[in-house]
Amino acid sequence: RKEVEQDPGPFNVPEGATVAFNCTYSNSASQSFFWYRQDCRKEPKLLMSVYSSGNEDGRFTAQLNRASQYISLLIRDSKLSDSATYLCVVMRFSGGYNKLIFGAGTRLAVHP
Amino acid sequence: DAGVIQSPRHEVTEMGQEVTLRCKPISGHNSLFWYRQTMMRGLELLIYFNNNVPIDDSGMPEDRFSAKMPNASFSTLKIQPSEPRDSAVYFCASSSRRDSFTDTQYFGPGTRLTVL
Repeated sequence: RKEVEQDPGPFNVPEGATVAFNCTYSNSASQSFFWYRQDCRKEPKLLMSVYSSGNEDGRFTAQLNRASQYISLLIRDSKLSDSATYLCVVMRFSGGYNKLIFGAGTRLAVHP
Repeated sequence: DAGVIQSPRHEVTEMGQEVTLRCKPISGHNSLFWYRQTMMRGLELLIYFNNNVPIDDSGMPEDRFSAKMPNASFSTLKIQPSEPRDSAVYFCASSSRRDSFTDTQYFGPGTRLTVL
């Protein structure tokens, strides 16, 4: 079993739709949590950090449930430009440093 | 500001050849990471340097892979000899602090390697 598991996707949604991605992690020592976005044939870029209290950045809302070891990302009013792969990422202290563990990613395709 | 710079962007080589990938981290960043991304395995950490010193190389697949960081502004990842299963996108990333819980890693554009 992978340490970070995500919905396999792809998600194909029309513009304006609301879409939710889920992610679970297996190591309870994980300390910090993030969503990264990766456009086709590009590098991953940090989208947002995820806090236990939940946090929002415009149309994007991230939630963390430490008890269930579950992370989510909600995108409201989807735009064509949201089409990308979304990577769930956890950070834990390992080998003397903060290590990022990446999920395999969920692909989102927003169509007109 | 310049981001992480990687070269070459694309590399096509034949099995058995030596391949050298290069990375220039963001100025002032003291942590550097090499990752490999494939469809099958996703994004995997190969090696982590802090202040030019290799800290974690447990992800390096085998002895054919080696990495160096001779100074704060340059790192190389070498594969010798290369094999078709090494075909992947290799990313370099850098960050500014080792101990922060909110380290942000900035990725370079990657090198797309194809070994025939």
